[in-house]
Amino acid sequence: GAGVSQSPSNKVTEKGKDVELRCDPISGHTALYWYRQSLGQGLEFLIYFQGNSAPDKSGLPSDRFSAERTGGSVSTLTIQRTQQEDSAVYLCASSPQVGNTIYFGEGSWLTVV
Amino acid sequence: GEDVEQSLFLSVREGDSSVINCTYTDSSSTYLYWYKQEPGAGLQLLTYIFSNMDMKQDQRLTVLLNKKDKHLSLRIADTQTGDSAIYFCAERGGTYKYIFGTGTRLKVLA
Repeated sequence: GAGVSQSPSNKVTEKGKDVELRCDPISGHTALYWYRQSLGQGLEFLIYFQGNSAPDKSGLPSDRFSAERTGGSVSTLTIQRTQQEDSAVYLCASSPQVGNTIYFGEGSWLTVV
Repeated sequence: GEDVEQSLFLSVREGDSSVINCTYTDSSSTYLYWYKQEPGAGLQLLTYIFSNMDMKQDQRLTVLLNKKDKHLSLRIADTQTGDSAIYFCAERGGTYKYIFGTGTRLKVLA
């Protein structure tokens, strides 16, 4: 597609359930980022993928969070045993190569009730 | 550590100029960015400036960089109601990490 595509756009889940958020980057972009935007907060870096290199997971807030990127393209962010504090907008971004401008998707709004 | 700070709110009248300010801490930042986020949407790149530049102009947008004070500003001339949004400042240093500010919510009054 022309831009970064994320799904679902909105997700309401019960506390304790697992959720998966999907990101389809711009075709040909080798770098992929996940950020979290909480109400009134800036963007919090979660994880970074670049090609076949080991991802930088340093921003993942707990071991309930994990992400993978299959075939160097689509990425899935998984949150296990969701908590209310996980409620936020999860933004995915991609870049053609390291150091270039990053382009964001419209985000997945997660609400944990 | 790396940090980017912005004021949270700005209110201006339609037709006036808006100035959104940002301070950052990473002196090795090579690029600094301004992104715009409209309600319910992702972040849209507005403009960026390389660290060896002092100013960049793009139509109604003027970016000023004071590297000594680590201060970045975005001026929007002739602000319109469609400019109402959240504006994020971001820095990128020697790594691939982009550090974002908390965003400034701009409200344009008709």
